[in-house]
Amino acid sequence: AAGVIQSPRHLIKEKRETATLKCYPIPRHDTVYWYQQGPGQDPQFLISFYEKMQSDKGSIPDRFSAQQFSDYHSELNMSSLELGDSALYFCASSVSDSHEQYFGPGTRLTVT
Amino acid sequence: GQQLNQSPQSMFIQEGEDVSMNCTSSSIFNTWLWYKQDPGEGPVLLIALYKAGELTSNGRLTAQFGITRKDSFLNISASIPSDVGIYFCAGPNFGNEKLTFGTGTRLTIIP
Repeated sequence: AAGVIQSPRHLIKEKRETATLKCYPIPRHDTVYWYQQGPGQDPQFLISFYEKMQSDKGSIPDRFSAQQFSDYHSELNMSSLELGDSALYFCASSVSDSHEQYFGPGTRLTVT
Repeated sequence: GQQLNQSPQSMFIQEGEDVSMNCTSSSIFNTWLWYKQDPGEGPVLLIALYKAGELTSNGRLTAQFGITRKDSFLNISASIPSDVGIYFCAGPNFGNEKLTFGTGTRLTIIP
């Protein structure tokens, strides 16, 4: 069965640079979620989209923005990167009437 | 915000042993999800629970939705090496869909 696709899998950036992470949800899933996971931590919710509209917002810095496109893929844009942004970033998708979220393999972002 | 505490924090067992872990909340959840995460990979959904008292199995895994709706339990029978990883409970916050994750239980199998 098709799973959530994330790209790139690994990304190395320098401080103050920008990064764009992409997420392709499972076919026919209309809701996308972004989570950040620091070393040894549990995933923390950043933001979600349903039918291309932002549906919920968590502890996402103002330097980050995201959107969902007409084909339901989503992009997380991160600007003015800081060392503390180094983490695993996961995208998850679901159908709107289900609580079951399916996670992608993640993007490991390293800021140097 | 809502907090999910998992215990034990880590477990060291021998292959073939049964495993039990639990997750407790300071508030009521209407859904409990159990995930397994391997290092550097995304969490994989194992079991979803929707009703208080519900007992659901997935192969060697069995999970229960606590009667009080403030806890859940996961059992693994006859553990095998591929069971190694971190197990997270998670639940959607009431009124929206974002997941709050538990603190995790790290399972290690001693050779």
